[in-house]
Amino acid sequence: QVLLQQWGAGLLQPSETLSLTCGVSGGAFSGYFWIWLRQPPGKGLEWIGEISDSGNAKHNPSLESRATISSDKSKHQFSLKLTSVTAADTAVYYCATFRWRYGMEVWGQGTTVTVSS
Amino acid sequence: VMTQTPLSLSVTPGQPASMSCKSSQSLLHSDGGTYLSWYLQKPGQPPQLLIYEVSNRFSGVPDRFSGSGSGTDFTLKISRLEAEDVGLYYCLQSTRLPYTFGQGTKVEIK
Repeated sequence: QVLLQQWGAGLLQPSETLSLTCGVSGGAFSGYFWIWLRQPPGKGLEWIGEISDSGNAKHNPSLESRATISSDKSKHQFSLKLTSVTAADTAVYYCATFRWRYGMEVWGQGTTVTVSS
Repeated sequence: VMTQTPLSLSVTPGQPASMSCKSSQSLLHSDGGTYLSWYLQKPGQPPQLLIYEVSNRFSGVPDRFSGSGSGTDFTLKISRLEAEDVGLYYCLQSTRLPYTFGQGTKVEIK
């Protein structure tokens, strides 16, 4: 069974770049889309974007091209970079698997990211 | 836009619970599938998948959970609420990008 473990800096200053990585273990790296989501304090869930096992990435237009999702198959990892962060980017960030029919089956534990000066 | 109702629900253990998710557009995909899934987020935890493709229970999900609907209107039902079912329930449409969630229904024990 696929397991996801995520890590990255939890405290950023405005205008810095958020960088998170999700490690995949216990299963094949292929056959899934690998996604990032976030949940601001007390609010709902937002899909940030996805990357396919062939490396094709798509991002939520709401983030105005600030988000980049990449993957490293050799390391069984995928990553999120979000540039020019502001307080509005403060949230719990999750990585997860996605399959077209099944939805988001496996989730990482979540990383709290706070943007504050 | 995905709209969930009610925003909160208080239910006596052993009683049924029902919540709605409405989409502003049909979720029927050109491939014939309808990609609507339901998630439960317990306090301090990531969401967990309950139902996929409208009505299919994910592995390990108790059969007291059921999903139904088509097009733009969908429903999640819990036949007999148990204490472990409290939390926030979200619907997700993954028929078209960007994938979007409803705002959530909070289920509490009465």
